This record gives sequence, C-alpha cells and structure tokens, in this order.
Amino acid sequence: GAGVSQSPSNKVTEKGKDVELRCDPISGHTALYWYRQSLGQGLEFLIYFQGNSAPDKSGLPSDRFSAERTGGSVSTLTIQRTQQEDSAVYLCASIPTGVRSYNEQFFGPGTRLTVL
Amino acid sequence: GDSVTQMEGPVTLSEEAFLTINCTYTATGYPSLFWYVQYPGEGLQLLLKATKADDKGSNKGFEATYRKETTSFHLEKGSVQVSDSAVYFCALRVSGGYQKVTFGTGTKLQVIP
Repeated sequence: GAGVSQSPSNKVTEKGKDVELRCDPISGHTALYWYRQSLGQGLEFLIYFQGNSAPDKSGLPSDRFSAERTGGSVSTLTIQRTQQEDSAVYLCASIPTGVRSYNEQFFGPGTRLTVL
Repeated sequence: GDSVTQMEGPVTLSEEAFLTINCTYTATGYPSLFWYVQYPGEGLQLLLKATKADDKGSNKGFEATYRKETTSFHLEKGSVQVSDSAVYFCALRVSGGYQKVTFGTGTKLQVIP
C-alpha cells in the first residue's frame, strides 16, 4: 500500500517568501507528526496532531511556523517570511489508528527546503 | 521531560567489526524504545523496538535490549557490513494520553571495506 508522501520533495525559495509543505499520511492513521532535520542534526519535533484533539504545537520554533490538518488526513506546514536558518529537511510521520505506545512511526521521504 | 542521549558520531568501522551504539534515556513514564535507521538518500525507517524491560528487539542482525535498571537501549551488531552505513536514531515513546516520540540526535555509522 501507499506510504506517507510529502510534496514537494525539494523547495528552493528566497528569504522572506512564504512556503507550504504538504504531507499525505497513510490512510486511516490518526496521529501525524512534523519534524525538522537540519544538516548534521537530529530530529527536532515541531508539531503533533492526534485525531480531533488540539494539536501540540510546543515544538514550533517561532510564530512564523504553523500547521493544520484538514479532515483528519492531509497536513500542511506553513513557514512565513522564511529565513536562511529555516533550511532543513522537513519530515512527516504518521501512526496507525488505535494508537499504542509501541506503534512505530511511518516516515515520509521529507521535503528539503533551501532558503537563499 | 523525556530525553534520549546517543553517543556522538561519526563511528567508522571496518567491515566485519563489532558495533555498539550507546543510547540512554530519561522518561517521565514507562517508555517503549525504538531504533530507527536512515540510509543515505532515504527516509527514516524502523529498525527494531522493545516495549518492556528486558525485551530484546532484533532485526537484520542488529539487537538492542531494554535495560530499565540502567535506562539504556544500546544497539549492537556482531559483524557490520558496508551496507549498514547509515545514521541510527534512538527514540522513546511514553504511553498515555500523549504519544509524543522523543528522538536522539542520531549517530552516523560508516563501514569501510
């Protein structure tokens, strides 16, 4: 079956522009995560959606970052007024329905964002 | 809060050498533990997991044992191959109402022929 997909795979933008990154989780997965992976760094948690609950936005680095999840499926991460330090790979992951503590996360291939 | 500490890389080994990548954790609850692997140019994928103390996760010749007494989940492989070259991430997830996953910073492994 289809895995987690992300688009675009690569995005080059100019400083100050807004960008939107899209994540299509595996169908039926109720939990969705966004992470950021900077060059040579580990995974930085950004935001978490679980069903209809209010998302946990505690990892968003600034108010220029926002995310939404429509209809409990597709999610969009928006970065406004991009800065060079926003350059990173943005990863999306989802977890199946009936979340249990041992369920693995299924990762998408990521979107590589480069801010010039 | 929850945290995961991994040994810093990069780790460079010759083919057929023994591998250990250390991972220790702190958790506010009773976590499940994971190792994820990221091969060059690919996304993260689950390598192995353990859900309770003394469990041993294993896959592709890799093993890790959930040690509650030492709060550790070290990754081991008896004989590495060039194809094992990748970045390895240790992670934990505490059960309960909030299913946030906490990752370590990753350890890059390079295996040379």
